[in-house]
Amino acid sequence: DAEITQSPRHKITETGRQVTLACHQTWNHNNMFWYRQDLGHGLRLIHYSYGVQDTNKGEVSDGYSVSRSNTEDLPLTLESAASSQTSVYFCASSEGTSGRMDEQFFGPGTRLTVL
Amino acid sequence: GQNIDQPTEMTATEGAIVQINCTYQTSGFNGLFWYQQHAGEAPTFLSYNVLDGLEEKGRFSSFLSRSKGYSYLLLKELQMKDSASYLCAVKDTGKLIFGQGTTLQVKP
Repeated sequence: DAEITQSPRHKITETGRQVTLACHQTWNHNNMFWYRQDLGHGLRLIHYSYGVQDTNKGEVSDGYSVSRSNTEDLPLTLESAASSQTSVYFCASSEGTSGRMDEQFFGPGTRLTVL
Repeated sequence: GQNIDQPTEMTATEGAIVQINCTYQTSGFNGLFWYQQHAGEAPTFLSYNVLDGLEEKGRFSSFLSRSKGYSYLLLKELQMKDSASYLCAVKDTGKLIFGQGTTLQVKP
């Protein structure tokens, strides 16, 4: 069955370190998204991609970067982790850009703690 | 600007009906999604509306009024497993903008 996976599921790191969160989907979806979820803020979009070599900034992109070298993967990198980046991170993918095809399928999430 | 409002918390009784409202002001509109998210889990799709009116799917229904910037999710015959957060999301130029979510607690 097609799925979307994230790794690691839990990560503790120190301020200033570089951290990369992996996202892998086997849906063969063109679109992939990274969100962070914090109490009182809901899901906020960090970066997104509509295809290979395409990346776009979302609402809260400062301090984060992504790259899309193939259809299946969109890794999220925190260049220099800060305590404000402690959060739960969700990756999602969708098939298209119109109508119901925009339904996004979410990965299980990564809980990141920056000390 | 982009603004999506939902009540933060709601409580209802098992077997009852509950309506969760969502109002939005966005620069563009190409549809509205409702997702369900149980604590510690990923959001999962519930419904999609792009035209005005009611969409029914089993115990769940979703309504949209584009002229009023308003949607609601109606849950009937509430069950304990319906205790979760419900997220309203507006599609704007290919990406989704989420509200803060409404945490619903179902009591016996």
